[in-house]
Amino acid sequence: EAQVTQNPRYLITVTGKKLTVTCSQNMNHEYMSWYRQDPGLGLRQIYYSMNVEVTDKGDVPEGYKVSRKEKRNFPLILESPSPNQTSLYFCASSTSGRASYEQYFGPGTRLTVT
Amino acid sequence: AQSVAQPEDQVNVAEGNPLTVKCTYSVSGNPYLFWYVQYPNRGLQFLLKYITGDNLVKGSYGFEAEFNKSQTSFHLKKPSALVSDSALYFCAVRPISGGYQKVTFGIGTKLQVIP
Repeated sequence: EAQVTQNPRYLITVTGKKLTVTCSQNMNHEYMSWYRQDPGLGLRQIYYSMNVEVTDKGDVPEGYKVSRKEKRNFPLILESPSPNQTSLYFCASSTSGRASYEQYFGPGTRLTVT
Repeated sequence: AQSVAQPEDQVNVAEGNPLTVKCTYSVSGNPYLFWYVQYPNRGLQFLLKYITGDNLVKGSYGFEAEFNKSQTSFHLKKPSALVSDSALYFCAVRPISGGYQKVTFGIGTKLQVIP
């Protein structure tokens, strides 16, 4: 089954404790992306990756890191989480071919930073 | 900078009536445009897209959207609403060309279909 998986689905942590949210897709997609969803703000793009070793900032990259060492994986790293990073996070992937580009989303990771 | 506006936080419509969810966009050059739907406690699902060609595009679950370049709009429509259409709808834009491939979403519109 074609899918995007994220782990963990729920995470409660404390300020400053480094964490990683994993994202994996099995569709051989070139493009992968991370979003955060906050009430009244919709989805905002954190980082995206056009392919292996190619990443770029979205609209809200501060406080986050990403890496793309393999095509299928795109982890989101919070080196020193703060309470304002409490949010619902989504990973997504898509092809980069023409006439495509629709994204497939993971189920989400609800992060609470206390 | 590119942007998407969804001017209505919520749209209420009676079951069986036509529905419209509005979206306008701003992007440098020509756009790819998308609609996604989010059901409670779920991830986003792709509904439909405009890439090129016919301005009226059809998608999943009987939804369609009309691309209007002069008004920079991409409104989502359905001829007859179902209670099961109640969800959060997002419009998104992505530039067609260039190495800059950021995707911008609107803030979402909650659709409530009343039985």
